[in-house]
Amino acid sequence: DQQVKQNSPSLSVQEGRISILNCDYTNSMFDYFLWYKKYPAEGPTFLISISSIKDKNEDGRFTVFLNKSAKHLSLHIVPSQPGDSAVYFCAASETNNAGNMLTFGGGTRLMVKP
Amino acid sequence: NAGVMQNPRHLVRRRGQEARLRCSPMKGHSHVYWYRQLPEEGLKFMVYLQKENIIDESGMPKERFSAEFPKEGPSILRIQQVVRGDSAAYFCASSPKQGAYGYTFGSGTRLTVV
Repeated sequence: DQQVKQNSPSLSVQEGRISILNCDYTNSMFDYFLWYKKYPAEGPTFLISISSIKDKNEDGRFTVFLNKSAKHLSLHIVPSQPGDSAVYFCAASETNNAGNMLTFGGGTRLMVKP
Repeated sequence: NAGVMQNPRHLVRRRGQEARLRCSPMKGHSHVYWYRQLPEEGLKFMVYLQKENIIDESGMPKERFSAEFPKEGPSILRIQQVVRGDSAAYFCASSPKQGAYGYTFGSGTRLTVV
């Protein structure tokens, strides 16, 4: 039972345009969401996060939107740059969960073409 | 301030051998998490440890896998009698306190079972 899903395995975008990566979740107990970027042969690198009390968080070119009623979040990257090409994972956690594990989606491979 | 250090980066084991993966958390971080990434999949939680304590091992296979985080030294993930299906990237993360904030991943150990 996949609690966090990224339905698009890959996305190709032209440099300078907007990249939109989507993520859906099923567990209503999740209250904190994160996006990680991963290059080959490296560990995931934290990008941006959002608490369930917010619907938007922005950091430079990166904005995360959360729609709790739809159990959906998205990551917007604008403008996209070739260096953004990587695999992006969304992850979710329950603040009150003593384990504080992160539940990851399967990832979306973003390719930004020059 | 060094990040999360994992070694070895690559490990090749024959079926039936033991694999030992090491993780040194970031300075000041006392919470350690292990995740496994199978090919073309997202990261899956395995175990959460604090010094000398296993807090949550709900993601660990029941047999052959064990983890420890001793008072001194790195955290160790041990896989006994490895099988081909254990081939994966194993990532360690650490955080300064309970919760998803400040979660930092290492570069991972890629285990290949031949």
